[in-house]
Amino acid sequence: EDQVTQSPEALRLQEGESSSLNCSYTVSGLRGLFWYRQDPGKGPEFLFTLYSAGEEKEKERLKATLTKKESFLHITAPKPEDSATYLCAVLITDSWGKFQFGAGTQVVVTP
Amino acid sequence: DTEVTQTPKHLVMGMTNKKSLKCEQHMGHRAMYWYKQKAKKPPELMFVYSYEKLSINESVPSRFSPECPNSSLLNLHLHALQPEDSALYLCASSHQTGNTGELFFGEGSRLTVL
Repeated sequence: EDQVTQSPEALRLQEGESSSLNCSYTVSGLRGLFWYRQDPGKGPEFLFTLYSAGEEKEKERLKATLTKKESFLHITAPKPEDSATYLCAVLITDSWGKFQFGAGTQVVVTP
Repeated sequence: DTEVTQTPKHLVMGMTNKKSLKCEQHMGHRAMYWYKQKAKKPPELMFVYSYEKLSINESVPSRFSPECPNSSLLNLHLHALQPEDSALYLCASSHQTGNTGELFFGEGSRLTVL
């Protein structure tokens, strides 16, 4: 059975304290892995797409990496405005539009 | 700013009301989606339209009726809803289904059923 698991469920960081979020997946075939940021009461905002193991993408303080079993979202020197829920989603081969989402990691960055 | 626009942002309705949620995108995307999201849960897929035809219905109750009048518009018609249907309803679009393309979400419509 296809599964996407994110850890930890919640993460509390001091401003400037770098950390990593994990998204592990067990799927029949990976077409793409996506990271989103979601603020309370709003729609998810697209961050990155990763297609193959070894790929890395960066945007400001965020860096996403992908292996054959998991993806990491590294947050370097976070600021309070990085507080959000971070969702990963996988698109499975031949799933025809069915993105499978993880439960998310809620990140709180305190000054 | 998101390029997927949803209206209304908030909707309160009784169980006997009929209302509609609307979604519009002008990115030339040919796949459009409705998701339902409960508090502290990930989005759950409801419907997928591909080239204006319904391609996926995730066994959604018939009190939810989707409509795709053209490639830019997506509606969700609501009738005889239950309080447990209260949630954030998200519209999304992607270049086309079956592709590796990412989803672009709207801000959502917060629905409360009394």
